[in-house]
Amino acid sequence: SQQGEEDPQALSIQEGENATMNCSYKTSINNLQWYRQNSGRGLVHLILIRSNEREKHSGRLRVTLDTSKKSSSLLITASRAADTASYFCATAGGQETSGSRLTFGEGTQLTVNP
Amino acid sequence: DSGVTQTPKHLITATGQRVTLRCSPRSGDLSVYWYQQSLDQGLQFLIQYYNGEERAKGNILERFSAQQFPDLHSELNLSSLELGDSALYFCASSGLAKNIQYFGAGTRLSVL
Repeated sequence: SQQGEEDPQALSIQEGENATMNCSYKTSINNLQWYRQNSGRGLVHLILIRSNEREKHSGRLRVTLDTSKKSSSLLITASRAADTASYFCATAGGQETSGSRLTFGEGTQLTVNP
Repeated sequence: DSGVTQTPKHLITATGQRVTLRCSPRSGDLSVYWYQQSLDQGLQFLIQYYNGEERAKGNILERFSAQQFPDLHSELNLSSLELGDSALYFCASSGLAKNIQYFGAGTRLSVL
């Protein structure tokens, strides 16, 4: 079953604009991650934020986490046509030494028009 | 390139058949995960292996089984296939950075 919802389900913007995607989850987490998937291909890890962090940056990406609201947002600044993809949030629950399963949201389909 | 190799890329088979999907993790990664992606269920965790042992199980059907071999490659076996098993099956691996998973390109299974 899915951990939660992502919103919006689809987002269409112009190149150069910023894109914001939101994710909600249901259970307590150890960390939350964002992954990107180009049409029908494998997922690529973008950024990880731990449960004790509130904000993290990586290049044009900014992630926030609000554990009291069980929500996260991903901001992509100065978007490019190459950013067109589906974006998924994924939560990991435990602190397993062997790694933890990921529970994915439903994803946001981002289209950046040139 | 994530370093995770999945074969085959595409698989077309008939209902009732059995197939095996193969995954080679990144060099040195001990954990292997299997996920299923379908239009109606989204991305779902199936099962995890760590250094040859089953570590966690998700919504994996009894008709499905997996194993991880001593060389750390993994296989996902799907039997008595049904139309609803048609999906993308992903393998991922993780290593020292245990929280980050590296995904293969997936195997697209079509059951006709």
